[in-house]
Order: sequence, then structure tokens, then C-alpha cells
Amino acid sequence: EAEVAQSPRYKITEKSQAVAFWCDPISGHATLYWYRQILGQGPELLVQFQDESVVDDSQLPKDRFSAERLKGVDSTLKIQPAELGDSAMYLCASSTSDSNTEAFFGQGTRLTVV
Amino acid sequence: GENVEQHPSTLSVQEGDSAVIKCTYSDSASNYFPWYKQELGKGPQLIIDIRSNVGEKKDQRIAVTLNKTAKHFSLHITETQPEDSAVYFCAASPGDMRFGAGTRLTVKP
Repeated sequence: EAEVAQSPRYKITEKSQAVAFWCDPISGHATLYWYRQILGQGPELLVQFQDESVVDDSQLPKDRFSAERLKGVDSTLKIQPAELGDSAMYLCASSTSDSNTEAFFGQGTRLTVV
Repeated sequence: GENVEQHPSTLSVQEGDSAVIKCTYSDSASNYFPWYKQELGKGPQLIIDIRSNVGEKKDQRIAVTLNKTAKHFSLHITETQPEDSAVYFCAASPGDMRFGAGTRLTVKP
């Protein structure tokens, strides 16, 4: 069964350091989402891609976060510099289109900033 | 943008009882309403979804109802089992998917 792949599963980094997460969506899925999930809360959308284009990044803290999906396939989310408040689960999801279809989630990357 | 509110935040039921989780949304353009189950340390998994042209959908012990006029939708789980214990999220989508805060369901044997 096709899955959304994310790496690493866990990451511990010191504050002010740079950190990057990688996501490989299900093959053929044009839409890719990055979500941040703080413990005990629902996923919060950070950025949505349609192929290689950003559709929505209104909730992305652009002073320190960046995301790219250069070839419209896999994607990287970067934080520089990391802050203590960035500790959370970072989830990637993909779907076949940008509305009315199931989003498939990866296992997530749990980030701890110390 | 869309705002989704979910209640209750925690729910404890006895095995075999029913569980109901409710969500409201704000954007009248929303037309897709999925429910996800998230187990500890894993990503959310879709358990059922409903589109705006349907008022109710059922899949074995799970059902979802939608009231577009009132802008609310509910998840119903019947004959609950201990393996139903997890965090459940509702979401609403007119394009980008916004999630509720989650309901931690505990099913006591």
C-alpha cells in the first residue's frame, strides 16, 4: 500500500540551529500539505502545494520557516533558526487534488528543540 | 479562513456504549468533511468522510451526519471497543483542510 514517507522520525536540535524535514508523497498526488501539531492540539496547516506551486502559506512563519517542492514531487520544510516553541510534530500529507479528497498522512517528524 | 470547533475535548465511555463527537465550521463554502483517527505516535488516518451533497453516511459501526444549514457535523461510533480509544479529529475543506482541536476517546473494558 502506498504511503507518505517522512524523515527523520525524530529530531533533537539546539535552539538557533537549522533543521530540515523531508516528505515524499504518494506517487501521483499533486497536492502536498505540511502541518504542525503541538501536543494535545489538532494539526495546523503551515503550507499547501499544488504541484510545485505554493497555494497557501498564510500560516507559515516566513521569518524562520521555508518550504519547497522544486520538482512537484518530494518536499522539504526548513526552520532556521529553531526556537524552543517550535517543538512539535511536523506532519506531511498528500492528496490527488486540492479539495474534496482524502489527505493521506505520513508518520510525522517529532522535533524537540533544546 | 475556515474555523473548526470540536466538542468534547475528552470522552470516556464503557465498552459497548455509543460515542458522539460534534464539530461546527464557519465557512459556508466548505463541502468536504473528513474524520481522522490518530493513535499515539502516528499520523492521522481517515476513518470516514462526507461531502455536502449527502446528509448522512455510514460504514459499519461508524456514521457521520451533516447539517449544512446549521454548519455542524457529527461522528457517531456504536458498540465501542477498546481499540477505538484514540484521538479523533474533524476537518473541513473548501480547499485547504482545517482541523478541529481533537477529542480523546477512551473506551473502558
